[in-house]
Amino acid sequence: QSVVTQPPSASGTPGQRVTISCSGSSSNIGSNTVNWYQQLPGTAPKLLIYHNDQRPSGIPDRFSGSKSGTSASLVISGLQSEDEADYYCAPWDDSLNGRVFGGGTKLTVV
Amino acid sequence: QLQLQESGPGLVKPSETLSLTCTVSGGSISSSTYYWGWIRQPPGKGLEWIGSINYAGRTKYNPALNSRVTVSVDTSKNQFSLTVNSVTAADTAVYYCARDAPLMDGSLNWIDPWGQGTLVSVSS
Repeated sequence: QSVVTQPPSASGTPGQRVTISCSGSSSNIGSNTVNWYQQLPGTAPKLLIYHNDQRPSGIPDRFSGSKSGTSASLVISGLQSEDEADYYCAPWDDSLNGRVFGGGTKLTVV
Repeated sequence: QLQLQESGPGLVKPSETLSLTCTVSGGSISSSTYYWGWIRQPPGKGLEWIGSINYAGRTKYNPALNSRVTVSVDTSKNQFSLTVNSVTAADTAVYYCARDAPLMDGSLNWIDPWGQGTLVSVSS
């Protein structure tokens, strides 16, 4: 059971806007930046969002991140079939003195 | 372009030691800017950070695994390694190596890039 909670699943149709939440506490999200990773089926995870809301080079602006208090969100706009993947949030946790991953959210594009 | 590649046995017996090596190409592991880390993913489950090391050998470990895990670095070979002692079936996972970005406060930030991962099964 992770100290950072994500919904196990999410879904949307092509073109829709989908939000994936990441809920934590004052020792992790509340006091540290959140990074998001996308894991396409059968592949290694890839950095999607860093420092709460920054996109690495090559990541489409359809992907955006935000943080408020002890929660963070990943928003995917203009959903595409190739966005079907697992998404993980990952902040540092000061109490554990270690990096924690959310349990992951499986996004289905129906 | 920085690339990382895991290598090591794909099968380890229970109670024995799991050992993996990550070879870094396209960049130097001696960069003072980064740490180098290990993350694992049991089949069908989520990601778990194991530990990270910098070029000088300074380490950070997941407290849940700290007692069984060692991460080491060999700058002459541009490699870093992972050992996990006294393995059980619960250590069966895909193991990823990756570059890890530290922050000034001593915490770790983003992970990028990742290696392709290697499956290690623990079974007799």
